[in-house]
Amino acid sequence: GENVEQHPSTLSVQEGDSAVIKCTYSDSASNYFPWYKQELGKRPQLIIDIRSNVGEKKDQRIAVTLNKTAKHFSLHITETQPVDSAVYFCAPLNDYKLSFGAGTTVTVRA
Amino acid sequence: NAGVMQNPRHLVRRRGQEARLRCSPMKGHSHVYWYRQLPEEGLKFMVYLQKENIIDESGMPKERFSAEFPKEGPSILRIQQVVRGDSAAYFCASSTGLAGGPDEQFFGPGTRLTVL
Repeated sequence: GENVEQHPSTLSVQEGDSAVIKCTYSDSASNYFPWYKQELGKRPQLIIDIRSNVGEKKDQRIAVTLNKTAKHFSLHITETQPVDSAVYFCAPLNDYKLSFGAGTTVTVRA
Repeated sequence: NAGVMQNPRHLVRRRGQEARLRCSPMKGHSHVYWYRQLPEEGLKFMVYLQKENIIDESGMPKERFSAEFPKEGPSILRIQQVVRGDSAAYFCASSTGLAGGPDEQFFGPGTRLTVL
């Protein structure tokens, strides 16, 4: 099965700084790479995704970059705000199965 | 368009009882997935269903757990004779299942099961 690792497991940043989370995966057949944000007690919410034929995608303060050769993709959050504090999960998809990483707890200090 | 609905949101059971978790997919979605999340962990795939068919149940324990998605009504995840280790958040997701590429999954609010 897919082996997914996220780094770092926790990340504390000053408001306004950038945050970067990296996700590595093992299955070269994975073809869809989403990032989810989960607040305490809530559902995972898709914040950005990228498909295997694209190297980078940006949506306002959030961007995702993909390196299929090296089998990793990263989440970039710029100009962080306290509302960005949450747990972030990568979840590469192979066929229909999402394989979630262990999560990165991001804390944005005001 | 209502999102994915799950009920109950919270469920408390004593050891040995049965738990039934329900999931109504988004309108127009015919594919349902169940995931389990233990405290401070990522979600783990359990089962993938289409109407009246179990496509992949490789992530579901062989005993005590079963799932269905009948022609009419919600998908049901059933846990018999619950044990404390079953305490977790159970999330359902749905997708359209349309051909043409990877299928975005939309998550429900989850059912938090506590086994006393």
